[in-house]
Amino acid sequence: QLVLTQSPSASASLGASVKLTCTLTSGHITYAIAWHQHQPGKGPRFLMKVNSDGSHNKGAGIPHRFSGSSSGAERYLTISGLQSEDEADYYCQTWGTGIPWVFGGGTKLTVL
Amino acid sequence: QVQLLQSGGGVVQPGGSLRLSCAASGFTFSSYDMNWVRQAPGKGLEWVADIYYDGSHKYYEDSVKGRFTISRDNSRSTVYLEMNSLRVEDTAVYYCARGSDSSGYFSDSYWGQGSLVTVSS
Repeated sequence: QLVLTQSPSASASLGASVKLTCTLTSGHITYAIAWHQHQPGKGPRFLMKVNSDGSHNKGAGIPHRFSGSSSGAERYLTISGLQSEDEADYYCQTWGTGIPWVFGGGTKLTVL
Repeated sequence: QVQLLQSGGGVVQPGGSLRLSCAASGFTFSSYDMNWVRQAPGKGLEWVADIYYDGSHKYYEDSVKGRFTISRDNSRSTVYLEMNSLRVEDTAVYYCARGSDSSGYFSDSYWGQGSLVTVSS
């Protein structure tokens, strides 16, 4: 069964960097994932797609300080130069042929 | 620019019905699969249903099978979610979201602003 695992929470200081992790189940380590940012009261926002080789393509208007990478079953979202508006919930999501969307449990990012 | 504008939602009693709509603009609607995703209070995002670009295939999360129906009108660039036999546990904010293109390739996504559905007696 395809499952995405995320840490429930993360925190980092204003201006610092943070790396969020999304882990795929062992039988699905070649899957690409998408990262979405969800701020309270708004619709989620697509940030980027991260492929198994670490390549990624960002959504329109996503700042350069957001980047993605991969290692094995793990997919990462790195935010550099944290700003207060980056405080949000971050979800990873994947898909497959005949497999509907699957979401990780989300990581609540606090900017200190 | 791409926009997904949702309408519908509201308060309904258990067993009642509601229909959500999601009107798309800024892209070739008929070339993309569309999804509905929900977020219950205090919970994470949960996929609910999706429909192929041409309406030929529809998939549902197990708890809504037989109660919810996803449909689309490509001439109106609109996707719908008809919700029947609503339960208290269906209370959530519902979002529409763009999925893969007609070749099955997922490149990016866009989301609607959300529609609050409250099921309560």
